[in-house]
Amino acid sequence: EPEVTQTPSHQVTQMGQEVILRCVPISNHLYFYWYRQILGQKVEFLVSFYNNEISEKSEIFDDQFSVERPDGSNFTLKIRSTKLEDSAMYFCASTRSGTVSYEQYFGPGTRLTVT
Amino acid sequence: GNSVTQMEGPVTLSEEAFLTINCTYTATGYPSLFWYVQYPGEGLQLLLKATKADDKGSNKGFEATYRKETTSFHLEKGSVQVSDSAVYFCALTSRSTGANSKLTFGKGITLSVRP
Repeated sequence: EPEVTQTPSHQVTQMGQEVILRCVPISNHLYFYWYRQILGQKVEFLVSFYNNEISEKSEIFDDQFSVERPDGSNFTLKIRSTKLEDSAMYFCASTRSGTVSYEQYFGPGTRLTVT
Repeated sequence: GNSVTQMEGPVTLSEEAFLTINCTYTATGYPSLFWYVQYPGEGLQLLLKATKADDKGSNKGFEATYRKETTSFHLEKGSVQVSDSAVYFCALTSRSTGANSKLTFGKGITLSVRP
């Protein structure tokens, strides 16, 4: 069964450093998302992406964040200068166009630890 | 805006006990409703869904009915197993904004099932 994959599974970085989180969505999906989950809190929407541009972004997704689909398979989230409060689990998700129920398929997540 | 409220946890049950996890929502438009499950160390998996009022979603013995009159989507299972121990998230998307709608999650509730 097709699945969303994410790398790395765990990333440790120092405050102020840039990180890139990578995702490979399901191959026939066209809509892509990033969510994050700070430890013990709810899963929060960051950004949605379609047709090579951002469709919607949350207040969390400020100028320090960017997303890109550099080729036909990868979808990346970049944090330019990490802060301690960026420590969280980051989930990538994708969905097939025309899906009435808007079911999103999630990857296993990348745990980002900023020290 | 959209919001999802889940009952406070954690919940601890004995094997074969009956489970109810409450979820209520506030949404504009006509939301689709979902339950996602997160097993220890894993990502989010869709458990079940319902896309219109009075629909019942079901999977792996779990059920939830979309109740528009009470804006609720409570999760139930008649007889839980140790393997059901996980974190359960209620979530919604609002159909009116198209297929790239974001998921809005509740806080999640941890279920532990004792043998």
